[in-house]
Amino acid sequence: GQQLNQSPQSMFIQEGEDVSMNCTSSSIFNTWLWYKQDPGEGPVLLIALYKAGELTSNGRLTAQFGITRKDSFLNISASIPSDVGIYFCAGHTIYNFNKFYFGSGTKLNVKP
Amino acid sequence: EAQVTQNPRYLITVTGKKLTVTCSQNMNHEYMSWYRQDPGLGLRQIYYSMNVEVTDKGDVPEGYKVSRKEKRNFPLILESPSPNQTSLYFCASSSETGLGQYFGPGTRLTVL
Repeated sequence: GQQLNQSPQSMFIQEGEDVSMNCTSSSIFNTWLWYKQDPGEGPVLLIALYKAGELTSNGRLTAQFGITRKDSFLNISASIPSDVGIYFCAGHTIYNFNKFYFGSGTKLNVKP
Repeated sequence: EAQVTQNPRYLITVTGKKLTVTCSQNMNHEYMSWYRQDPGLGLRQIYYSMNVEVTDKGDVPEGYKVSRKEKRNFPLILESPSPNQTSLYFCASSSETGLGQYFGPGTRLTVL
């Protein structure tokens, strides 16, 4: 099946630092989504991207839909302790709008 | 309050004993989906449904069944569970195909 390569797998950063993570696919994607999962809970949608080149912000979070439509990145600026969690990229290819694929996640740890 | 609910939240069962995990959403969403989450693998889509009586396979459908008789409910059925189906399961929904989804709180299933 389709594989999404998400990196890095985990990050340990100091409060106040900026964070960047990215996702690449072998197929062209029509949608890129970024989710955050807190321990014991379901993923929560952070940002949705629907057009190549699109750059969207949500507070301290910024995500971009790559021009090639095979990649996306998420930046978090000035990290705070509550940013701790697992971040997932997700999306669907141009071949099937109903089938979703998720990356393996980036585990973020923030030291106060 | 808009939400996706799942029951049960935790389940321990034995190999071969049929079980059903229920999922219900109160947002009148057309699209619903089931995922399983395993360490290091992210979330993998099991089945999805575009509307009542319309379902299709995701990436890992083997060993699972679903039904969509009503818009709000999308149960996941394991006819003969096996230990390799031990996992964390999430139900999700969205107003349309291709949009970001709302996730339920998860069901942790252990098959002995």
